[in-house]
Amino acid sequence: DQQVKQNSPSLSVQEGRISILNCDYTNSMFDYFLWYKKYPAEGPTFLISISSIKDKNEDGRFTVFLNKSAKHLSLHIVPSQPGDSAVYFCAASASYNAGKSTFGDGTTLTVKP
Amino acid sequence: EPEVTQTPSHQVTQMGQEVILRCVPISNHLYFYWYRQILGQKVEFLVSFYNNEISEKSEIFDDQFSVERPDGSNFTLKIRSTKLEDSAMYFCASRGFNSPLHFGNGTRLTVT
Repeated sequence: DQQVKQNSPSLSVQEGRISILNCDYTNSMFDYFLWYKKYPAEGPTFLISISSIKDKNEDGRFTVFLNKSAKHLSLHIVPSQPGDSAVYFCAASASYNAGKSTFGDGTTLTVKP
Repeated sequence: EPEVTQTPSHQVTQMGQEVILRCVPISNHLYFYWYRQILGQKVEFLVSFYNNEISEKSEIFDDQFSVERPDGSNFTLKIRSTKLEDSAMYFCASRGFNSPLHFGNGTRLTVT
């Protein structure tokens, strides 16, 4: 039962362009969503989050959009930089239990110079 | 910036042996977690720990697993009798109140 899905295993974009990573969820109890970035041989690093009371959260080059009716969220990175190349995980939790996150499979982003 | 540290980075053990994976969470954090990632699979929640007791555990976290906070700084995961399918990256994480998870760099456990 895949409660959090990232349907694109990989994404390649040119430096300076926008990267859009997508995530879908099925569990209606989820109301807190996070994106993590992971480099090889490191643990996931928190990037940005959004609560279900919002539909957009922005932090510098990173913006997360939430469409509750579609149970869909996306991460926009603009402009993309080569250092953004990593695996990006979408994660979801119920806010009353925020540390127990359900992760997607991850999307490997490659930003080409 | 404070970070979660895990030791060892790689542990090789024989099937049936006991292993202890160690973690030092961020010092002012109150909530502690273990996650694992089997090669090629997703990151999975194992257990959460708060106020010196397990607050939640997944179905993966069976009687072979235990966690402990033996002192004010360490947080350990013990696997009593390892199986081949326990081979994975094990990530420790901690968080403060109303903050996201901070993960360590993981311990790669290889069971032969």
